[in-house]
Amino acid sequence: GQQLNQSPQSMFIQEGEDVSMNCTSSSIFNTWLWYKQDPGEGPVLLIALYKAGELTSNGRLTAQFGITRKDSFLNISASIPSDVGIYFCAGQLQGAQKLVFGQGTRLTINP
Amino acid sequence: NAGVTQTPKFQVLKTGQSMTLQCAQDMNHNSMYWYRQDPGMGLRLIYYSASEGTTDKGEVPNGYNVSRLNKREFSLRLESAAPSQTSVYFCASSTPTGRRTEAFFGQGTRLTVV
Repeated sequence: GQQLNQSPQSMFIQEGEDVSMNCTSSSIFNTWLWYKQDPGEGPVLLIALYKAGELTSNGRLTAQFGITRKDSFLNISASIPSDVGIYFCAGQLQGAQKLVFGQGTRLTINP
Repeated sequence: NAGVTQTPKFQVLKTGQSMTLQCAQDMNHNSMYWYRQDPGMGLRLIYYSASEGTTDKGEVPNGYNVSRLNKREFSLRLESAAPSQTSVYFCASSTPTGRRTEAFFGQGTRLTVV
């Protein structure tokens, strides 16, 4: 089954608000990735994290690799309508090759 | 700059029919993956291939087979399609083993089994 718990499952916010979502696991990861999926498209990589404590930004998006290596969060500041979509976290377990994905956070923005 | 290309984009099958989903990448990646996406379930790994000539089962392999034809191509076969296999299928590839892992996805194949 899923080894990553992503929350919240869905968010309904007003345009301009900040957004925060996270992923947690009982296992240690050596890579955290955050993806966004638009309707009818494949997931697109937003941010990649490789070191515990690493904080990386991509425009209005900021993601952090948790110190324990068991969690990660993604923040979106000043949301805009094009931020609508499903956000996925993904991780590579320590010593493993394959990636595992969270269940996704569906973001809806009211104008 | 194609990246990961999947064919077909849409397919309708009758129960019991077989078909192969094709995937090709032009980024010289060693690792390739097949995922399925169902509402509320996120992306679940069906099979993956860490390198040419190797394949391993993922989370939900039953009812599927794969072939890593060469470094570029990784196909997914449904031998006898079932309605439970109605889903969106994504192929992905990632950077070589031991280096930073960043997976890139195709556009998806939307499969309906009736």
